[in-house]
Amino acid sequence: AQSVAQPEDQVNVAEGNPLTVKCTYSVSGNPYLFWYVQYPNRGLQFLLKYITGDNLVKGSYGFEAEFNKSQTSFHLKKPSALVSDSALYFCAVRDDEGSYIPTFGRGTSLIVHP
Amino acid sequence: GAGVSQSPSNKVTEKGKDVELRCDPISGHTALYWYRQSLGQGLEFLIYFQGNSAPDKSGLPSDRFSAERTGGSVSTLTIQRTQQEDSAVYLCASSFGTGDFLFFGPGTRLTVL
Repeated sequence: AQSVAQPEDQVNVAEGNPLTVKCTYSVSGNPYLFWYVQYPNRGLQFLLKYITGDNLVKGSYGFEAEFNKSQTSFHLKKPSALVSDSALYFCAVRDDEGSYIPTFGRGTSLIVHP
Repeated sequence: GAGVSQSPSNKVTEKGKDVELRCDPISGHTALYWYRQSLGQGLEFLIYFQGNSAPDKSGLPSDRFSAERTGGSVSTLTIQRTQQEDSAVYLCASSFGTGDFLFFGPGTRLTVL
């Protein structure tokens, strides 16, 4: 079975400060991990993914995520937040030994204050 | 446009009525997914198609829900005898392969009065 948890419903950060949105996962095999972003009144957009290789993955809009196998985490990070980064962020996981269906977290609302 | 499209964008219906939601995936994408997004509930998986076949229908909440896909392209999600708890945003997504990331449509907001 596969599952993903986003422990924070909301993250608040000041513009210019670094941001972290947390994600932990559980799989039987090896994880395929994804981050998506949903801007207000818009559909979900893919940000970045980890399949294999380097633990630090770089994606769109200056975001990056670090895969940590021992902590089963895949936290989303950005060195300097922008007000325009305010959105709903979803972590997703797929087990390479399971079905082809990604499981999504409940989402974390990121609010960047000017 | 080259993205996933869904229609209608909004649907208001009365309890007990049937509704059909349509999804046009990106051309060439073999995998198609339906999810439901309710406030504070994240994304709930409904059904997955590979081509025209639905190997996984495990997420459909009840037998009032059904879906089909024709020609390896357009998909229709049908909800019969709608209930108020069916109110949600219904999202369609497609991908070229089953291991790749998903392209999402803008969703259909369903309100059951």
